Formats: sequence, structure tokens, C-alpha cells
Amino acid sequence: NAGVTQTPKFQVLKTGQSMTLQCAQDMNHEYMSWYRQDPGMGLRLIHYSVGAGITDQGEVPNGYNVSRSTTEDFPLRLLSAAPSQTSVYFCASSYSRTSGSANEQFFGPGTRLTVL
Amino acid sequence: TQLLEQSPQFLSIQEGENLTVYCNSSSVFSSLQWYRQEPGEGPVLLVTVVTGGEVKKLKRLTFQFGDARKDSSLHITAAQPGDTGLYLCAGAGPGTYKYIFGTGTRLKVLA
Repeated sequence: NAGVTQTPKFQVLKTGQSMTLQCAQDMNHEYMSWYRQDPGMGLRLIHYSVGAGITDQGEVPNGYNVSRSTTEDFPLRLLSAAPSQTSVYFCASSYSRTSGSANEQFFGPGTRLTVL
Repeated sequence: TQLLEQSPQFLSIQEGENLTVYCNSSSVFSSLQWYRQEPGEGPVLLVTVVTGGEVKKLKRLTFQFGDARKDSSLHITAAQPGDTGLYLCAGAGPGTYKYIFGTGTRLKVLA
């Protein structure tokens, strides 16, 4: 099993450009999520999904879109990149979709994004 | 809005010393988790505590969940350089799918 994979590992964008960060998992997990990590801010939830066709907003959703057409894939789209979106982005998946779940989240290796 | 506050933010200690990291909130959590993150990698789960007052041990690491399920602590005995990393607490409140993470404690253990 590859676990959670993310591409690309590094990306530089100019202000106003759009792009999609890819995330895939091969563990048949129902729950998937996207976080951004900034210095001194921990990880902040952007969007999450409890199953194919179901997505919802997290703590910092503005400027990002997601979709979940399959169980395996959960891409994150930046519509019009801004310097404030410079960050490290992590995708995670978890077996359970139960609310308040204590299930382990498995994280990908991250995408380091710089917006100039 | 649920928040998880961790303290201290930074900790630099000598090998063999003991330390405690705290994770506090004003909200009740169904469970709290502790993760460790190495540079350039994603966080990896260390433990999940579910019951108020619960204590779990993982070798030299001891985790405790507060009786009211609003706080947790991580105690490391005889720290080693391999314990160096970013320690994060995380949780999802009752009835929510939204995980939140604490701001993290960056630990450096000097040989």
C-alpha cells in the first residue's frame, strides 16, 4: 500500500494563477481532509469529505475548492492564487466517517506551495 | 469556535531530562490525539485518548486525558535526541467531523 500520496511536492505560482493539488489514498478510507500548515499556526482544516460526493468546509475554506468523485481521490483547487496561500499543504485520510471520531488520520508527505 | 492551546511553544532540553507538554481547551472533546511531526513529513499518530482521566503509556511517553475531557498532557521521561520533533494535539468535538489541531510544541533534545 502506498498510503496517502500527494503531488506535486513543490510548486511556485504567480499571483492569480490557478492549480490543483492532487491527493490519493489506497486504504479505502471514507474520510479525507486538507490542511494547511503555517509557522506557529499548527494545522488548519481547509475542507473535508466523509465520502464520495460529500464535502464540507473546514476552518479556512476561502480561495479553495474541493470535490470527491471517487473514494480514492480528493483534489484541492486554488482558484486564483494569492501570496497569503503560501504554505505547506497536507492531505489526510481516516477509516471512519463517524462524527467526533477517534480514528487515526494518515497524512501525506505534503506540498510546499509558494505564491509570488 | 473550538481551540486547542499548547504550551510551551518551544522546548530545548538536555538528553535525560523529563518534560511535560500541555494541550488545553475550554471545549469538551470526544477524544484527543497526539501526533509527532518530523521536518519535511506529515504528522504521525502517537496515541488517542478517549475516556476522561485516561492514562496511556507508550514506552517513555505518558499521555493523560483530563477528567472533564477538555485538556491533555504528554510527559516524556528521560528524553532522547530521537524524541526531537513537533508535537501536536488534535481533536474533534462531539457531533462534528471537523478536526482541529493545537499550535504545536517544538521539542529539541540535545545530546
